[in-house]
Amino acid sequence: SAVISQKPSRDICQRGTSLTIQCQVDSQVTMMFWYRQQPGQSLTLIATANQGSEATYESGFVIDKFPISRPNLTFSTLTVSNMSPEDSSIYLCSVGRGQGYEKLFFGSGTQLSVL
Amino acid sequence: QKEVEQNSGPLSVPEGAIASLNCTYSDRVSQSFFWYRQYSGKSPELIMSIYSNGDKEDGRFTAQLNKASQYVSLLIRDSQPSDSATYLCAVNMRAGSGGSNYKLTFGKGTLLTVNP
Repeated sequence: SAVISQKPSRDICQRGTSLTIQCQVDSQVTMMFWYRQQPGQSLTLIATANQGSEATYESGFVIDKFPISRPNLTFSTLTVSNMSPEDSSIYLCSVGRGQGYEKLFFGSGTQLSVL
Repeated sequence: QKEVEQNSGPLSVPEGAIASLNCTYSDRVSQSFFWYRQYSGKSPELIMSIYSNGDKEDGRFTAQLNKASQYVSLLIRDSQPSDSATYLCAVNMRAGSGGSNYKLTFGKGTLLTVNP
Protein backbone atom coordinates (compact mmCIF):
# COMPACT_ATOMS: atom_id res chain seq x y z
CA SER A 1 0.00 0.00 0.00
CA ALA A 2 1.04 3.64 0.29
CA VAL A 3 0.48 6.59 2.55
CA ILE A 4 -1.43 9.17 0.53
CA SER A 5 -1.94 12.64 1.94
CA GLN A 6 -4.60 14.80 0.36
CA LYS A 7 -5.47 18.39 1.12
CA PRO A 8 -7.57 20.26 1.75
CA SER A 9 -9.82 17.75 3.46
CA ARG A 10 -12.82 19.96 2.84
CA ASP A 11 -13.65 23.36 1.49
CA ILE A 12 -16.62 25.57 0.80
CA CYS A 13 -16.22 27.66 -2.32
CA GLN A 14 -18.10 30.30 -4.21
CA ARG A 15 -19.48 29.76 -7.67
CA GLY A 16 -17.02 30.75 -10.41
CA THR A 17 -13.88 30.26 -8.35
CA SER A 18 -11.27 27.51 -8.60
CA LEU A 19 -9.84 25.08 -6.07
CA THR A 20 -6.61 23.11 -6.31
CA ILE A 21 -6.42 19.78 -4.49
CA GLN A 22 -3.02 18.38 -3.64
CA CYS A 23 -2.04 14.74 -3.37
CA GLN A 24 1.29 13.64 -1.86
CA VAL A 25 2.43 10.00 -1.79
CA ASP A 26 5.13 8.66 0.51
CA SER A 27 6.77 6.63 -2.26
CA GLN A 28 7.30 6.91 -5.98
CA VAL A 29 4.36 5.72 -8.02
CA THR A 30 3.84 5.45 -11.74
CA MET A 31 0.09 5.72 -12.00
CA MET A 32 -2.05 8.20 -10.12
CA PHE A 33 -5.78 8.56 -10.60
CA TRP A 34 -8.31 11.22 -9.72
CA TYR A 35 -11.86 10.14 -8.87
CA ARG A 36 -15.08 11.91 -8.01
CA GLN A 37 -17.71 10.47 -5.69
CA GLN A 38 -21.09 12.18 -5.70
CA PRO A 39 -23.70 11.32 -3.08
CA GLY A 40 -25.33 7.98 -3.79
CA GLN A 41 -23.16 7.42 -6.83
CA SER A 42 -20.27 5.18 -7.63
CA LEU A 43 -16.70 6.35 -7.91
CA THR A 44 -16.16 8.00 -11.28
CA LEU A 45 -12.72 8.26 -12.81
CA ILE A 46 -11.86 11.80 -13.88
CA ALA A 47 -8.39 11.25 -15.29
CA THR A 48 -5.20 9.25 -15.10
CA ALA A 49 -1.99 11.16 -14.36
CA ASN A 50 1.38 9.78 -15.37
CA GLN A 51 4.56 11.63 -14.53
CA GLY A 52 6.06 13.39 -17.50
CA SER A 53 3.05 13.19 -19.77
CA GLU A 54 -0.31 14.82 -20.20
CA ALA A 55 -3.14 13.47 -18.12
CA THR A 56 -5.65 11.22 -19.84
CA TYR A 57 -9.24 12.31 -19.28
CA GLU A 58 -12.35 10.16 -19.22
CA SER A 59 -15.43 10.88 -21.25
CA GLY A 60 -17.29 13.83 -19.79
CA PHE A 61 -14.22 15.43 -18.22
CA VAL A 62 -12.04 18.02 -19.95
CA ILE A 63 -8.69 19.57 -19.20
CA ASP A 64 -10.01 23.13 -19.11
CA LYS A 65 -12.37 22.22 -16.29
CA PHE A 66 -10.11 19.81 -14.40
CA PRO A 67 -6.46 20.63 -15.13
CA ILE A 68 -4.04 18.16 -13.57
CA SER A 69 -0.36 18.45 -12.84
CA ARG A 70 2.05 15.60 -12.18
CA PRO A 71 5.46 17.21 -11.70
CA ASN A 72 7.14 14.16 -10.15
CA LEU A 73 6.54 10.57 -9.05
CA THR A 74 5.18 11.47 -5.61
CA PHE A 75 2.89 14.44 -6.19
CA SER A 76 -0.12 15.51 -8.22
CA THR A 77 -2.72 18.26 -8.17
CA LEU A 78 -6.25 18.48 -9.50
CA THR A 79 -7.85 21.87 -10.05
CA VAL A 80 -11.61 22.26 -10.23
CA SER A 81 -12.09 25.40 -12.32
CA ASN A 82 -14.95 27.85 -12.64
CA MET A 83 -16.93 25.90 -10.08
CA SER A 84 -20.67 25.49 -10.02
CA PRO A 85 -22.89 23.76 -7.42
CA GLU A 86 -22.85 20.65 -9.65
CA ASP A 87 -19.15 20.26 -8.80
CA SER A 88 -20.00 19.67 -5.15
CA SER A 89 -18.60 16.23 -4.48
CA ILE A 90 -15.85 14.25 -2.83
CA TYR A 91 -12.66 14.21 -4.87
CA LEU A 92 -10.23 11.36 -4.29
CA CYS A 93 -6.71 10.79 -5.50
CA SER A 94 -5.46 7.25 -5.71
CA VAL A 95 -2.37 5.30 -6.68
CA GLY A 96 -2.29 2.05 -8.59
CA ARG A 97 -0.27 -0.93 -7.45
CA GLY A 98 0.24 -4.43 -8.78
CA GLN A 99 0.11 -5.73 -12.31
CA GLY A 100 -1.69 -3.21 -14.49
CA TYR A 101 -1.80 -0.80 -11.54
CA GLU A 102 -5.31 -2.05 -10.88
CA LYS A 103 -5.13 -2.29 -7.08
CA LEU A 104 -6.05 1.18 -5.96
CA PHE A 105 -5.18 2.88 -2.73
CA PHE A 106 -6.98 6.11 -1.96
CA GLY A 107 -6.15 9.35 -0.28
CA SER A 108 -8.40 10.68 2.44
CA GLY A 109 -10.49 12.71 0.01
CA THR A 110 -11.56 16.32 -0.36
CA GLN A 111 -15.14 17.23 0.41
CA LEU A 112 -16.01 20.17 -1.84
CA SER A 113 -19.16 22.25 -1.47
CA VAL A 114 -19.89 24.98 -4.00
CA LEU A 115 -22.38 27.68 -3.09
CA GLN B 1 -22.03 0.87 -21.46
CA LYS B 2 -19.91 -1.22 -19.12
CA GLU B 3 -21.62 -1.61 -15.78
CA VAL B 4 -21.17 -3.01 -12.31
CA GLU B 5 -24.40 -3.57 -10.42
CA GLN B 6 -24.89 -3.91 -6.68
CA ASN B 7 -27.92 -3.91 -4.46
CA SER B 8 -27.76 -0.57 -2.66
CA GLY B 9 -29.23 -2.02 0.52
CA PRO B 10 -29.21 -1.33 3.32
CA LEU B 11 -28.41 -4.91 4.25
CA SER B 12 -28.97 -5.46 7.93
CA VAL B 13 -27.63 -8.52 9.75
CA PRO B 14 -27.30 -9.39 13.43
CA GLU B 15 -23.90 -9.61 15.05
CA GLY B 16 -22.31 -13.00 14.48
CA ALA B 17 -24.26 -13.74 11.31
CA ILE B 18 -22.93 -14.13 7.78
CA ALA B 19 -23.32 -11.10 5.55
CA SER B 20 -23.57 -11.80 1.84
CA LEU B 21 -22.88 -9.01 -0.63
CA ASN B 22 -23.43 -9.51 -4.35
CA CYS B 23 -22.23 -7.90 -7.55
CA THR B 24 -22.82 -8.51 -11.25
CA TYR B 25 -20.86 -7.06 -14.14
CA SER B 26 -21.51 -6.64 -17.82
CA ASP B 27 -18.14 -7.26 -19.50
CA ARG B 28 -17.65 -10.98 -20.02
CA VAL B 29 -13.90 -10.71 -20.57
CA SER B 30 -13.17 -8.99 -17.24
CA GLN B 31 -10.36 -10.71 -15.36
CA SER B 32 -9.81 -8.76 -12.14
CA PHE B 33 -12.29 -8.14 -9.35
CA PHE B 34 -12.02 -6.19 -6.12
CA TRP B 35 -13.97 -5.41 -2.99
CA TYR B 36 -13.51 -2.11 -1.18
CA ARG B 37 -14.87 -1.11 2.21
CA GLN B 38 -15.83 2.50 2.81
CA TYR B 39 -16.74 3.76 6.25
CA SER B 40 -18.95 6.81 6.41
CA GLY B 41 -16.91 9.93 5.75
CA LYS B 42 -13.81 7.95 4.86
CA SER B 43 -12.14 6.90 1.62
CA PRO B 44 -12.42 3.38 0.17
CA GLU B 45 -10.08 0.69 1.44
CA LEU B 46 -9.13 -2.39 -0.59
CA ILE B 47 -10.04 -5.56 1.31
CA MET B 48 -10.14 -8.36 -1.26
CA SER B 49 -9.07 -9.13 -4.79
CA ILE B 50 -9.95 -12.20 -6.84
CA TYR B 51 -8.94 -13.30 -10.30
CA SER B 52 -9.96 -16.97 -10.68
CA ASN B 53 -13.28 -18.76 -10.46
CA GLY B 54 -14.06 -20.14 -7.03
CA ASP B 55 -13.49 -18.91 -3.51
CA LYS B 56 -10.71 -16.88 -1.95
CA GLU B 57 -10.59 -16.62 1.81
CA ASP B 58 -8.86 -14.00 3.96
CA GLY B 59 -9.74 -14.14 7.62
CA ARG B 60 -13.48 -13.59 8.03
CA PHE B 61 -13.82 -12.51 4.40
CA THR B 62 -14.46 -14.82 1.44
CA ALA B 63 -14.68 -13.57 -2.12
CA GLN B 64 -16.47 -15.77 -4.63
CA LEU B 65 -16.21 -15.47 -8.41
CA ASN B 66 -18.25 -17.06 -11.16
CA LYS B 67 -17.16 -15.70 -14.52
CA ALA B 68 -19.71 -17.73 -16.47
CA SER B 69 -22.50 -16.03 -14.55
CA GLN B 70 -20.60 -12.71 -14.38
CA TYR B 71 -21.10 -12.68 -10.67
CA VAL B 72 -18.84 -11.89 -7.75
CA SER B 73 -19.75 -11.92 -4.08
CA LEU B 74 -18.27 -11.15 -0.69
CA LEU B 75 -19.14 -13.14 2.41
CA ILE B 76 -18.35 -11.79 5.85
CA ARG B 77 -18.48 -14.44 8.55
CA ASP B 78 -19.09 -13.66 12.22
CA SER B 79 -20.16 -10.13 11.31
CA GLN B 80 -19.19 -7.43 13.79
CA PRO B 81 -20.64 -3.94 14.30
CA SER B 82 -17.27 -2.65 13.09
CA ASP B 83 -18.05 -4.21 9.70
CA SER B 84 -20.86 -1.69 9.23
CA ALA B 85 -19.85 0.22 6.11
CA THR B 86 -20.52 0.54 2.41
CA TYR B 87 -18.94 -2.21 0.34
CA LEU B 88 -17.93 -1.33 -3.20
CA CYS B 89 -17.45 -3.90 -5.92
CA ALA B 90 -14.92 -2.96 -8.60
CA VAL B 91 -14.21 -4.73 -11.88
CA ASN B 92 -11.41 -4.12 -14.33
CA MET B 93 -13.36 -3.77 -17.57
CA ARG B 94 -12.56 -2.90 -21.13
CA ALA B 95 -12.69 0.83 -21.74
CA GLY B 96 -15.02 1.49 -24.65
CA SER B 97 -16.00 -1.08 -27.25
CA GLY B 98 -13.26 -3.60 -27.89
CA GLY B 99 -9.63 -2.58 -27.62
CA SER B 100 -7.11 -3.52 -25.01
CA ASN B 101 -7.42 -0.67 -22.54
CA TYR B 102 -8.98 -1.57 -19.22
CA LYS B 103 -10.50 0.64 -16.59
CA LEU B 104 -11.53 -0.08 -13.03
CA THR B 105 -15.30 0.38 -12.84
CA PHE B 106 -17.04 0.66 -9.48
CA GLY B 107 -20.53 -0.25 -8.43
CA LYS B 108 -22.57 2.15 -6.30
CA GLY B 109 -21.97 0.07 -3.23
CA THR B 110 -24.05 -1.84 -0.69
CA LEU B 111 -24.57 -0.37 2.76
CA LEU B 112 -24.13 -3.05 5.42
CA THR B 113 -25.36 -2.57 8.97
CA VAL B 114 -24.42 -5.10 11.64
CA ASN B 115 -26.69 -4.85 14.65
CA PRO B 116 -25.31 -5.70 18.12
